[in-house]
Amino acid sequence: SAVISQKPSRDICQRGTSLTIQCQVDSQVTMMFWYRQQPGQSLTLIATANQGSEATYESGFVIDKFPISRPNLTFSTLTVSNMSPEDSSIYLCSVARRHMNTEAFFGQGTRLTVV
Amino acid sequence: EDQVTQSPEALRLQEGESSSLNCSYTVSGLRGLFWYRQDPGKGPEFLFTLYSAGEEKEKERLKATLTKKESFLHITAPKPEDSATYLCAVQSGSARQLTFGSGTQLTVLP
Repeated sequence: SAVISQKPSRDICQRGTSLTIQCQVDSQVTMMFWYRQQPGQSLTLIATANQGSEATYESGFVIDKFPISRPNLTFSTLTVSNMSPEDSSIYLCSVARRHMNTEAFFGQGTRLTVV
Repeated sequence: EDQVTQSPEALRLQEGESSSLNCSYTVSGLRGLFWYRQDPGKGPEFLFTLYSAGEEKEKERLKATLTKKESFLHITAPKPEDSATYLCAVQSGSARQLTFGSGTQLTVLP
């Protein structure tokens, strides 16, 4: 398994501001992902964080709103930009290793409330 | 497009009352089916990965099974501490990201 640390664990932010969420893994992993879980709903993939190159975004998510960095194999950040109340969600970092039949592990999440 | 449907949405059991949760899926080339447990305010906790039809895995009171169209999570003699939302997800083709179902919220009453 992998130990994943996410910061902050929760935050309350004013609309129009931005928040950067950090994800640190205790060992080198190939794949890192960012998910969103809106209140009462399941997880939706935002993007795949690629080391040294631009993230790969899913339909409905764009880089200007959710810029992602991944400078090395153990660290990634997700920024939620120009926030609105609709961005209030739990944001989750997930990691996996690039080989057959690999489990995916999640951080504890960042609970974001936009007021 | 991968699809995952979980049922029921919510389930209330008495302590000791065994039951099963269902996860139906449609994928193009299943690489793995995952079960997670999620407690309120926390990230999903990994339980099992199943890779091929006929496979079964067990962990304490939980047993996961897989067919070509669905997976079941059997809970034997549940305890109140088993109360949580159970999430099913699939991984397909060459992708490593997961497609999640909406979850089953399980409540076990003492």
